[in-house]
This record gives sequence, structure tokens and C-alpha cells, in this order.
Amino acid sequence: ELKVEQNPLFLSMQEGKNYTIYCNYSTTSDRLYWYRQDPGKSLESLFVLLSNGAVKQEGRLMASLDTKARLSTLHITAAVHDLSATYFCAVTAGGTSYGKLTFGQGTILTVHP
Amino acid sequence: NAGVTQTPKFQVLKTGQSMTLQCAQDMNHEYMSWYRQDPGMGLRLIHYSVGAGITDQGEVPNGYNVSRSTTEDFPLRLLSAAPSQTSVYFCASSAQGAGEKLFFGSGTQLSVL
Repeated sequence: ELKVEQNPLFLSMQEGKNYTIYCNYSTTSDRLYWYRQDPGKSLESLFVLLSNGAVKQEGRLMASLDTKARLSTLHITAAVHDLSATYFCAVTAGGTSYGKLTFGQGTILTVHP
Repeated sequence: NAGVTQTPKFQVLKTGQSMTLQCAQDMNHEYMSWYRQDPGMGLRLIHYSVGAGITDQGEVPNGYNVSRSTTEDFPLRLLSAAPSQTSVYFCASSAQGAGEKLFFGSGTQLSVL
């Protein structure tokens, strides 16, 4: 059974600081996703990581994937208030399991002035 | 381009009632899925489909029924609503392909009294 764990579950940051959210998964996966969710809203896709060593960056967010360690990280650089949201990672079991995602519990990020 | 459209946005049911949550996508995506979101548990897969006429169970299928008669539509039926089905429900779709991300609908907030 594929399990996904995020760490930490709650993150309170000051503006301008850096931090990293970790996503561990239990079995081989060929695809890892990061999503953002604002309160009361739907999920917005941030990154899709497909291979070992993949790194993607957009703005103050950078995601990486280590398939050997079954670990993905979402690094936040110089946080701003607008980044406050819940962040989810999710993986698929591979093969033809498109659209069949297993999600982590989510990390609630709050950025303070 | 509407993307993934879910209706209704809010619904209150009494225990034992049945209802159908509608989901439609206009992107000609092969893959569609239903998730429920509960506090502290991330999103969990209920059912998914890889094409018209093909469906499969996810992690939490009990009490829910689906069918996929067309590529565009993937309704979720609650056969006899229970308080444990109080949740936020999201429909998602994706195209076939390793890098294809899931597009989510806006969600349905369901309360079962």
C-alpha cells in the first residue's frame, strides 16, 4: 500500500525566511505532484516531478525529487504572506495509474510579517 | 474553456437520502477521478476511470457508485447518505501522459445530518 507522509504538518514562518517541506513516500512511484490549496478553494497544481534528480522552480518555490530516497522537498525562499496556504504532495503508483493519486496529509503554511 | 465543472457547490442531506454529484470536463481527458477531503487526512481517492465504460475503486469506495457513459461526464452517486460521508468532494481529470497534471473542480461541500 502506497503511503505518503509530509513533514511538518504545520509551519509558521516569518516573512523573508527560508524553509523546506518534506514529502516521503513508501513505495516506488514514477510521478510526484505538488499542489497548493487556499482556504475554501480547490487545488492548484504547482509542480510535476517525473525523474530522479528532477528540480523545478517557480518564483519563491522550488521542488526536487530523489526517487532512491523516496523523498521530495518543497523549498520556500524568502517567504511572503501570499504563500500562506496548505501544500500537498501526491504520488501515483506508476504504470497506468494516471489520475490515481495518493496524497500526503498537507502542510498548513502561515507566513507572518 | 470551463475545465472541470462540479455541481452542486453545497448540499445538505438527511441520513438515508440519495443524491448525485455531477462532474463534467471539456478537455477531452481520458482520466477522471473523485476524491474526498477531510480535515487532517489530505485527499482520498473514492473512484476513478480511465475512459468511457471503465471504472475502478479507490481507497474509500464504500457507499459510493460511479459510471462513465461519456468521456465528458463522471457522476458520483451516494446511495444512502450517512453522517460519515460529510466531507468536501473534488472531481479531477487528466490526459494520458507521464507529465500530465490533474485538473481539479471547485469542490462540493456535503453535509449529512
